[in-house]
Amino acid sequence: DADVTQTPRNRITKTGKRIMLECSQTKGHDRMYWYRQDPGLGLRLIYYSFDVKDINKGEISDGYSVSRQAQAKFSLSLESAIPNQTALYFCASQGADTQYFGPGTRLTVL
Amino acid sequence: GESVGLHLPTLSVQEGDNSIINCAYSNSASDYFIWYKQESGKGPQFIIDIRSNMDKRQGQRVTVLLNKTVKHLSLQIAATQPGDSAVYFCAENNQGGKLIFGQGTELSVKP
Repeated sequence: DADVTQTPRNRITKTGKRIMLECSQTKGHDRMYWYRQDPGLGLRLIYYSFDVKDINKGEISDGYSVSRQAQAKFSLSLESAIPNQTALYFCASQGADTQYFGPGTRLTVL
Repeated sequence: GESVGLHLPTLSVQEGDNSIINCAYSNSASDYFIWYKQESGKGPQFIIDIRSNMDKRQGQRVTVLLNKTVKHLSLQIAATQPGDSAVYFCAENNQGGKLIFGQGTELSVKP
């Protein structure tokens, strides 16, 4: 079984809708991250969490919010989706130094 | 500002040849570097890492070289195979608990 899972894997939604992307990890890591990837670009950090009570904004947090429900779960919400949020979203958890990524969620906002 | 960049966006090699993917970083305080492989439709997968107190580290068919003097990182893949075709990212740990990723190099292996 995968160590980091994401749901849904694909989602198509309309402008203005609220969307939640979910992430779970079974590695027992305290640190979790949400990234966005656009075509031809690297990963950009949206939010990160060092433990359940510690949430931090990344470089592109505007338009997004997160919730760390438990050590193993970290969800990303788009309060009012807009077309330029169409992208591939990755969740990751981190052990000592290395981050391990989920399979990604492909989000399309029409 | 901090940045991690790659010299070439694409690299095409013949099957069986060695591949070299390069990366430049700008934060001299970074002490840990990682190479990831991302296949189409999948998440980045850890390949190999290196700490700043090392110059070279070898894995199975892969070697990472670190030149701190010129802030340069490279990934060498020996006897490149079709399954190596992917986008390769370097990342640096800036000691703030976050990784900074480069843009990525797409490796294409010709049969």
